[in-house]
Amino acid sequence: NAGVTQTPKFRVLKTGQSMTLLCAQDMNHEYMYWYRQDPGMGLRLIHYSVGEGTTAKGEVPDGYNVSRLKKQNFLLGLESAAPSQTSVYFCASSYVFSEETQYFGPGTRLLVL
Amino acid sequence: TQLLEQSPQFLSIQEGENLTVYCNSSSVFSSLQWYRQEPGEGPVLLVTVVTGGEVKKLKRLTFQFGDARKDSSLHITAAQPGDTGLYLCAGVRESNYQLIWGAGTKLIIKP
Repeated sequence: NAGVTQTPKFRVLKTGQSMTLLCAQDMNHEYMYWYRQDPGMGLRLIHYSVGEGTTAKGEVPDGYNVSRLKKQNFLLGLESAAPSQTSVYFCASSYVFSEETQYFGPGTRLLVL
Repeated sequence: TQLLEQSPQFLSIQEGENLTVYCNSSSVFSSLQWYRQEPGEGPVLLVTVVTGGEVKKLKRLTFQFGDARKDSSLHITAAQPGDTGLYLCAGVRESNYQLIWGAGTKLIIKP
């Protein structure tokens, strides 16, 4: 079991460029989440999914889009990157929404210049 | 405004000392989780507390949920360098089932 994996691990973008972060889980979890973590801010939920083909906005969704075409994959897209999106991005998954243990990936460190 | 306040934000102590970190809110939570995060990795769940006044022990770590389910504490006895990390609390708000994260306590245990 690989658990939750994320690619890439690190990326540098120029302002205005686009990219997609990929999250994959092999635990057959229904629920998947994308967070960003900034110093002193804790984890903030960007978007989440309660099942294949469904997505919903979290606390800080602006500037991001997501897709869940397959149960095991959850993609986070940045259409036009901004320096304010410099952060560490974590994907997580769980059996039950919110209240149950969330399993996290190792994170993607993104720097937008 | 942080809905879940963790204190202290940073703590550096010598190996063998005891410590307590806190997670406080004005909201009532149906459950509260504690995670530990090491550099370059994602958070890993340590414990979930559900009942007001509940105490759970994990070796040298003792977790307590407040009677009113608005706060929690983590006490570490005889801290070891392996306890070094960022400790995060996360609570499920009873009012809207939203999961709220604290900003974390960065703990360094010096040998």
